[in-house]
Amino acid sequence: EIVLTQSPATLSLSPGERATLSCRASQSVSSYLAWYQQKPGQAPRLLIYDASNRATGIPARFSGSGSGTDFTLTISSLEPEDFAVYYCQQRSDLFTFGPGTKVDIK
Amino acid sequence: EVQLVESGGGLVQPGGSLRLSCAASGFTFYTYWMTWVRQAPGKGLEWVANIKEDGSEKYYVDSVKGRFTISRDNAKKSLYLQMNGLRAEDTAVYYCVRAATTQWYDYWGQGTLVAVSS
Repeated sequence: EIVLTQSPATLSLSPGERATLSCRASQSVSSYLAWYQQKPGQAPRLLIYDASNRATGIPARFSGSGSGTDFTLTISSLEPEDFAVYYCQQRSDLFTFGPGTKVDIK
Repeated sequence: EVQLVESGGGLVQPGGSLRLSCAASGFTFYTYWMTWVRQAPGKGLEWVANIKEDGSEKYYVDSVKGRFTISRDNAKKSLYLQMNGLRAEDTAVYYCVRAATTQWYDYWGQGTLVAVSS
């Protein structure tokens, strides 16, 4: 089973700041990695797929990078609606999610 | 508009059974893989099972193998999850999810809560 580790667990930032979230896989997943955003009481929303492709309707301030075992989600300038939990997911070997990174308001 | 509406959740005793349903609309159901993802209260996401467009392939997370069965009825545009031998650790919100042509999860239902407790 491929295990995904996300860091940090919590990221406290102010609106307008840059957020950098990390996801590390226990073995290579090539580019088969996605990022999801989840707000309280809501279902997750797909942000980034195949490591660096923005999903339909996702603002350009969200970007993804990486391949193999190390991946990054960057939010260039936080908007108030971006404070949420972010999960990475791999589909190289079945499917697993990371434990999540909570981005909260400082 | 794509819609996925789950039903069938509730409170069940350990060892009991439940059948979850998901009614799909707004897209050509029989051309998409479908998935169940769950989320325990206050916890992260866990992939549970998925099923190919025609139902010929099914995959499960190890923790539910032999207890849960995913199925679909393309004529009814519905996805199902039969859950037997339920355990306390199966307590979660269960989401019905569509896998896009890229195989990533592009549409999610609102979820249905399954609580396993005596």
